[in-house]
Amino acid sequence: EPEVTQTPSHQVTQMGQEVILRCVPISNHLYFYWYRQILGQKVEFLVSFYNNEISEKSEIFDDRFSVERPDGSNFTLKIRSTKLEDSAMYFCASSDFEGNTEAFFGQGTRLTVV
Amino acid sequence: DQQVKQNSPSLSVQEGRISILNCDYTNSMFDYFLWYKKYPAEGPTFLISISSIKDKNEDGRFTVFLNKSAKHLSLHIVPSQPGDSAVYFCAASATASGTYKYIFGTGTRLKVLA
Repeated sequence: EPEVTQTPSHQVTQMGQEVILRCVPISNHLYFYWYRQILGQKVEFLVSFYNNEISEKSEIFDDRFSVERPDGSNFTLKIRSTKLEDSAMYFCASSDFEGNTEAFFGQGTRLTVV
Repeated sequence: DQQVKQNSPSLSVQEGRISILNCDYTNSMFDYFLWYKKYPAEGPTFLISISSIKDKNEDGRFTVFLNKSAKHLSLHIVPSQPGDSAVYFCAASATASGTYKYIFGTGTRLKVLA
């Protein structure tokens, strides 16, 4: 069964450093998303991406965050100047259609900023 | 602003009985609703969805009911099995508004007792 894969599973970084979280969405999907879940809190939307551009972003997705689909298969989330409060599980998701269709999530990357 | 609420943080049910998980929403623009199951250290797994044009959708042991006038949806699991023990999230989106991001509830931890 096709699945969304994320690497690494756990990333530890020093505050102020840059991190790149990687995702391989399901191959025929067209819509890509990043969500995050701070420990003990709900899953929160960060950004959606379609046709090589951001279609929507939340207030969490400030100018330290960026997304890219560099080679037609990978989908990356870059966080510059990381802060302690960026520590969370980051989930990549993809869906094959707009509108009423479910998104499939990866297993997540646990980001710890120290 | 909690647009999607799951007021029961936890629920325990005997194996073989019905599990009923509830979700309320406040945004009348939501027109697509989903339930996800999540195990620790894994990403959310899609279970079942419902469009606002329906009031019920069934898939095997899982049934989702939507009451638009009450802005309430519920997930019924019959019969409950120990493997159903997980955190269940409801999510909603306002697709007719051109947004496909999901707004998640805070989750309900279901424990099915053998």
